[in-house]
Amino acid sequence: GNSVTQMEGPVTLSEEAFLTINCTYTATGYPSLFWYVQYPGEGLQLLLKATKADDKGSNKGFEATYRKETTSFHLEKGSVQVSDSAVYFCALSSPGNTGKLIFGQGTTLQVKP
Amino acid sequence: GAGVSQSPSNKVTEKGKDVELRCDPISGHTALYWYRQSLGQGLEFLIYFQGNSAPDKSGLPSDRFSAERTGGSVSTLTIQRTQQEDSAVYLCASSFKWTEGGELFFGEGSRLTVL
Repeated sequence: GNSVTQMEGPVTLSEEAFLTINCTYTATGYPSLFWYVQYPGEGLQLLLKATKADDKGSNKGFEATYRKETTSFHLEKGSVQVSDSAVYFCALSSPGNTGKLIFGQGTTLQVKP
Repeated sequence: GAGVSQSPSNKVTEKGKDVELRCDPISGHTALYWYRQSLGQGLEFLIYFQGNSAPDKSGLPSDRFSAERTGGSVSTLTIQRTQQEDSAVYLCASSFKWTEGGELFFGEGSRLTVL
């Protein structure tokens, strides 16, 4: 079945450090891939997405590239800020599973000044 | 309201009691979803409503769980005879009619604690 695996957290970084959060997936067909973020005390919100292979999603300095050959969608940011501290969720939706996003376990990021 | 609204934000109940959780989606959104967020388990899909179509209930963990959506808007998730393993944050999300790559808008969740 479809599944998403994220690196376990928490990830603790100093401000301005480089961030990578790994995400790999298993899916039939060609899924769309997403990163959602949950800031403290807020609901999940879409951070970025990619709907086909080799697409790069980007937002707020974050990027992720849809790699079909490695079934991955790793999240990166060149210089993190304290305000990026949150829980990050990788997710996929598969054709034929309308409305059903499959989420990873979530990775907590803590950025220290 | 501007976003997805859920109530109550926190609910503590005793094992064996029934609970109802409410979700008010964004106006105009025809798709509504319930997810469960358990510690260390990520987000687990529960149920999906799209317009007047039959809901996709494939994620409901047992027959103690049910959900309805009245008038194509507000939804209620009901858990009967609650168990301790039901303790989790229950998230509601809505979107325009689902299309591949579409965005879900989430509420802040209802935290359920079963003693």
